[in-house]
Amino acid sequence: GQNIDQPTEMTATEGAIVQINCTYQTSGFNGLFWYQQHAGEAPTFLSYNVLDGLEEKGRFSSFLSRSKGYSYLLLKELQMKDSASYLCAPLDSNYQLIWGAGTKLIIKP
Amino acid sequence: GAVVSQHPSRVICKSGTSVKIECRSLDFQATTMFWYRQFPKQSLMLMATSNEGSKATYEQGVEKDKFLINHASLTLSTLTVTSAHPEDSSFYICSARDSGREQETQYFGPGTRLLVL
Repeated sequence: GQNIDQPTEMTATEGAIVQINCTYQTSGFNGLFWYQQHAGEAPTFLSYNVLDGLEEKGRFSSFLSRSKGYSYLLLKELQMKDSASYLCAPLDSNYQLIWGAGTKLIIKP
Repeated sequence: GAVVSQHPSRVICKSGTSVKIECRSLDFQATTMFWYRQFPKQSLMLMATSNEGSKATYEQGVEKDKFLINHASLTLSTLTVTSAHPEDSSFYICSARDSGREQETQYFGPGTRLLVL
C-alpha cells in the first residue's frame, strides 16, 4: 500500500531551526512535494524534489533520499507566520499526489 | 505566476439544492485540474481528476452523478454538487497543473467552504 509517515505535531521557538521528517512508501515514484497549509486555507506549494539531495529556497530547504524513502523540510529563522501544517506528498507512478495528514508546526515566541 | 482562483469562497445552501464551484487558472493553461475535499483536521482527499475536453476520472467511492465535473476550457473546471446533503458539508479545493511546464506541481485554489443545512 501507499503510506506517508510524518510527526503529527512539532513545536519550535521563533528564530530557531526546525526539521520536519517524512518517510513514504508509494507504488512508483515521480518526485516529492512539500506544501504549507495554514488553518482554514488551501495548501501552497513550497518545494519539489525529484533527485536525491538538498534543494534550498530562501529560509526553506528540502532534502530527498529516494533509496531510503525519506525526505525532510528544514525551516530556518522561524517566524510566527510559519505556524501551519506542512504536508509531504510524494507523486506515485500514476503521477498522483499521495497525501498524509501533515505535521502541525507550532511556533512559540 | 501560477495563480488559481475558486468561486465562491463560501456557500450555504439548503439540503436538496445544487451548488456549482468554479476553478480557474488565471495565468496559465491547465489541461488537468484536480478536485479535493478536506474534512477538519484530516488530509486532503482526491475526489476526481478533471481533463480538458474529456470525462473526469473519479476516485473510488466518489459518486460521479452526484459530483458533476466539467472541464470545458484550458482555464476553467467546475464542480457541481447535486442534491446536496448535510454530510456534503466540507472544504472543497481545486488544483491545477501547468500544461506549459514539465514539472508536475499542482497549484491550489483558495478553496470553497460548503455548508449544507
